[in-house]
Amino acid sequence: QVQLTESGPGLVHPSETLSLTCTVSGFSLTGYSVYWVRQPSGKGLEWMGRMRYNGDTSYNSALKSRLSISRDTSKNQVFLKMNSLQTDDTGTYYCTGGSHYWGQGVMVTVSS
Amino acid sequence: DIVMTQAPLSVSVTPGESASISCRSSKSLLHSNGITYVYWYLQKPGKSPQLLIYRMSNLASGVPDRFSGSGSETDFTLKISRVEAEDVGIYYCGQLLENPWTFGGGTKLELK
Repeated sequence: QVQLTESGPGLVHPSETLSLTCTVSGFSLTGYSVYWVRQPSGKGLEWMGRMRYNGDTSYNSALKSRLSISRDTSKNQVFLKMNSLQTDDTGTYYCTGGSHYWGQGVMVTVSS
Repeated sequence: DIVMTQAPLSVSVTPGESASISCRSSKSLLHSNGITYVYWYLQKPGKSPQLLIYRMSNLASGVPDRFSGSGSETDFTLKISRVEAEDVGIYYCGQLLENPWTFGGGTKLELK
């Protein structure tokens, strides 16, 4: 059974770095890509980036300068790091295993 | 980036009646492999998006056959027959043809 679970701090201070972890089960990170999508509070969905099955990454150009995605295949984990957070980065962050499988999301609030 | 435009913003439906949601893309979503990469999701309050329709007209596993997707290269429709209380939420269309994935602004379905 495919599962993705996001984890990370619920509160981040402005200008600090967000670090999130996506732990997957039911599939191998060397066989399938993992994506990060976020949803600002009360708004729509924004694709952030991708960790491809072969280790290649791709980023949304709007976030590229602040964003980094990496992985640890031995732990079945994909990591997201985004720096210089501002209040409009507040929202729910999801990791997905392609189009079909989404995690439950982690709510991140950027506030002092 | 491909722009996805949804209409209407909201729809109010009597249980048992039908509803249709439209989505238009700024670029053809028909790949050279013959697949049209438009997807439909339902996001219920407090939940992550759940896949309803993939590749324009394919019903995702576990989704009632009251849901159907159709369209052309740039114009797409999600139809819900015999709307039920469990169908309430926000519907999003999305294109997964190319990175970044992009999504429509959402259509809120409510019951009369």
